[in-house]
Amino acid sequence: DAGITQSPRHKVTETGTPVTLRCHQTENHRYMYWYRQDPGHGLRLIHYSYGVKDTDKGEVSDGYSVSRSKTEDFLLTLESATSSQTSVYFCAISEAWGTGELFFGEGSRLTVL
Amino acid sequence: AQKITQTQPGMFVQEKEAVTLDCTYDTSDPSYGLFWYKQPSSGEMIFLIYQGSYDQQNATEGRYSLNFQKARKSANLVISASQLGDSAMYFCAMRESGSSNTGKLIFGQGTTLQVKP
Repeated sequence: DAGITQSPRHKVTETGTPVTLRCHQTENHRYMYWYRQDPGHGLRLIHYSYGVKDTDKGEVSDGYSVSRSKTEDFLLTLESATSSQTSVYFCAISEAWGTGELFFGEGSRLTVL
Repeated sequence: AQKITQTQPGMFVQEKEAVTLDCTYDTSDPSYGLFWYKQPSSGEMIFLIYQGSYDQQNATEGRYSLNFQKARKSANLVISASQLGDSAMYFCAMRESGSSNTGKLIFGQGTTLQVKP
């Protein structure tokens, strides 16, 4: 199994507070992604990274920012959490060769009250 | 724009029978990859099978096979001899060659499969 850990795994917070989710990999994969999963929507890409300090927006990036200061860590920040950001967040990693499948972390469940 | 559609929100299958989960896609890129993932109730995402757009044969992995019909833009997952442990949500996903420098996938809405004993 790919070495990906997400923290925290569960978080309850209040509207307007900042939240940071961390994704840590031990596989030295180049690409990292943050997806959110909501019923009826499958998984939607928030932001992704194709190298240290190289990031770009995904389909649902509004209200989120990311940072990647080293290969192994990819942080997702909600500057001011809203109830619409209540979701399960998945980090994933991949490499450029082969089939390029994504390997996922275990997910972080965020509840914004 | 690329799009993945899974039209079956939920399905039932009897244990030991085969089941087909539908997936259609839309892309103008001649080079792309199609993926299926399984998400059991525990929540993790498990990669099942991959099909490249130029692959001549349908992909197979154990009890999983991908019924790839390029002209119809469909990539249905076939699970043979269903087991109780196959009960899960299944996601179809696609990567276009234009995304090869980013590797990002787009996902369908998912299909929940329940296997009956």
